[in-house]
Amino acid sequence: QQPVQSPQAVILREGEDAVINCSSSKALYSVHWYRQKHGEAPVFLMILLKGGEQKGHEKISASFNEKKQQSSLYLTASQLSYSGTYFCGTEGKTGNQFYFGTGTSLTVIP
Amino acid sequence: EAQVTQNPRYLITVTGKKLTVTCSQNMNHEYMSWYRQDPGLGLRQIYYSMNVEVTDKGDVPEGYKVSRKEKRNFPLILESPSPNQTSLYFCASSKGQNYNEQFFGPGTRLTVL
Repeated sequence: QQPVQSPQAVILREGEDAVINCSSSKALYSVHWYRQKHGEAPVFLMILLKGGEQKGHEKISASFNEKKQQSSLYLTASQLSYSGTYFCGTEGKTGNQFYFGTGTSLTVIP
Repeated sequence: EAQVTQNPRYLITVTGKKLTVTCSQNMNHEYMSWYRQDPGLGLRQIYYSMNVEVTDKGDVPEGYKVSRKEKRNFPLILESPSPNQTSLYFCASSKGQNYNEQFFGPGTRLTVL
């Protein structure tokens, strides 16, 4: 039930935009997004709970298409500090188990 | 300061030597979880606990045990470690199990020779 993310890796120049996609073969009841910087623990970015919901966090926002079982994370005007690995995640139907996606490595260069 | 702590941070051991990785949180969270992180496989849930004395298997529970005798502590036990358990381990906690932000510990890097 692990969600699949694309792309696996992306390199951006400062100021460029990026989109990270997360899709599941099973129903998504919620979508969580986390960022993990090299050598550190994952840090929570946001949760989307409803189909069609969009949320924003500084210049990072996300959307959730429940029907397509997909979510996308949008990073605009990227900064060096955005570098890291981004994970989506979702809970199982009962909300007890948690499944992280395969991860997307994002590198922002000057 | 609200936090999740793990000990040890680094551990090198040999096959078959029992070990315990401790995890403690000071946020009074009900839900706690253990993950392992391996290159190319992302984070996979090993075990989780919804409250004291309530634990259940995640995706990759083989070779691991857990216990939850107190709300704040959730140790991970490897009774007979094997080299395929060499990994980076994270403990996490959240308020309730549904739709909540998880707070992660700093991680424990385990090498089994």
